[in-house]
Amino acid sequence: GIQVEQSPPDLILQEGANSTLRCNFSDSVNNLQWFHQNPWGQLINLFYIPSGTKQNGRLSATTVATERYSLLYISSSQTTDSGVYFCAVFLDQFYFGTGTSLTVIP
Amino acid sequence: NAGVMQNPRHLVRRRGQEARLRCSPMKGHSHVYWYRQLPEEGLKFMVYLQKENIIDESGMPKERFSAEFPKEGPSILRIQQVVRGDSAAYFCASSPRLSADTEAFFGQGTRLTVV
Repeated sequence: GIQVEQSPPDLILQEGANSTLRCNFSDSVNNLQWFHQNPWGQLINLFYIPSGTKQNGRLSATTVATERYSLLYISSSQTTDSGVYFCAVFLDQFYFGTGTSLTVIP
Repeated sequence: NAGVMQNPRHLVRRRGQEARLRCSPMKGHSHVYWYRQLPEEGLKFMVYLQKENIIDESGMPKERFSAEFPKEGPSILRIQQVVRGDSAAYFCASSPRLSADTEAFFGQGTRLTVV
């Protein structure tokens, strides 16, 4: 299967700060998604981004498929951004990274 | 992802009992995936089903676990004779077709606690 690595594993931010989360994957894929798991455990779709760049409010994501990585940008972070961010790539199934645990403090 | 419905949200079972977890995919989706998330860990693939077919069950434990996705009704993940190690969050996802280029959506999960 595909190896998916995320960094950093943990991140603590002051409210209003910006951050970049990274996802590296070991094989070519046609499907990459970013999810936010909130403190209540719900998995929220953030981006479906097999390649290119997308933006949604304060969040944006870029995937460079040829170099096998994706980046998730969070700008002007808010306490509600806290939680775990997962990237997942699809080959024959979804392979999840181990996540980045983000804590935004007021 | 609000369209993928899982129930119950929380399930408590005593050791040795059976647990049945249900997943109704989004409208128009005929492919269902089940994942397990142990505490403080990422999601691990269990099984991939299409209507009336198991496509890939390579992530399913060999014993006590089974899954189905009948022609009518939700997909069911069944765990027999539960043990404490089965305590986890179980998520299902659905997609419209067998293709790597489609977005999948996850349900809210069922949190199983074995006491």
